Amino acid sequence: SQQGEEDPQALSIQEGENATMNCSYKTSINNLQWYRQNSGRGLVHLILIRSNEREKHSGRLRVTLDTSKKSSSLLITASRAADTASYFCALRNTGGFKTIFGAGTRLFVKA
Amino acid sequence: DAGVTQSPTHLIKTRGQQVTLRCSPKSGHDTVSWYQQALGQGPQFIFQYYEEEERQRGNFPDRFSGHQFPNYSSELNVNALLLGDSALYLCASSPRNLLGGELFFGEGSRLTVL
Repeated sequence: SQQGEEDPQALSIQEGENATMNCSYKTSINNLQWYRQNSGRGLVHLILIRSNEREKHSGRLRVTLDTSKKSSSLLITASRAADTASYFCALRNTGGFKTIFGAGTRLFVKA
Repeated sequence: DAGVTQSPTHLIKTRGQQVTLRCSPKSGHDTVSWYQQALGQGPQFIFQYYEEEERQRGNFPDRFSGHQFPNYSSELNVNALLLGDSALYLCASSPRNLLGGELFFGEGSRLTVL
């Protein structure tokens, strides 16, 4: 499969806790991206990490990439109720033009 | 600066009918990708248009076709609608970048096929 597979499928945490989502893939990638989607809305780009990078930060987001294990993780620190959404990893394969999305992790942050 | 705009936002069709969805990319973007997202699933890549040509296509039947105009706007056409075509159709634009980059999404067109 070209797409990433997120784990867990769903996650419920308390406000203030950290949320970790994982993405595994099988192909060679150019980059890996994470997107957020509020219910029924368009997707919003969060962060992009290239295949030669191991870690990136953006605000409360931290993304890691391990190309040897073909996996990535997204950490949201000090979560807020407003972080409740679906989170998708997306792969841009080497030499390809398309970006392929996984099935997503549904995060619910309880106030 | 307007982002990606899609129309219509919602529409209802019956089986066998045809539908056209429209997308205007973000200013400065020349590449448009279309995705189908069924309820509870991730977006599935339909095809990508660049320089008015279909550059890459996902695993969708020929009933799904598209077009890109000289102003970079795009249309998605679906013929002979099936119940299973009910989904959120998302348009994403990006600047020409062979090394990849972030996609900017519209809010989608919600298609219901009865």
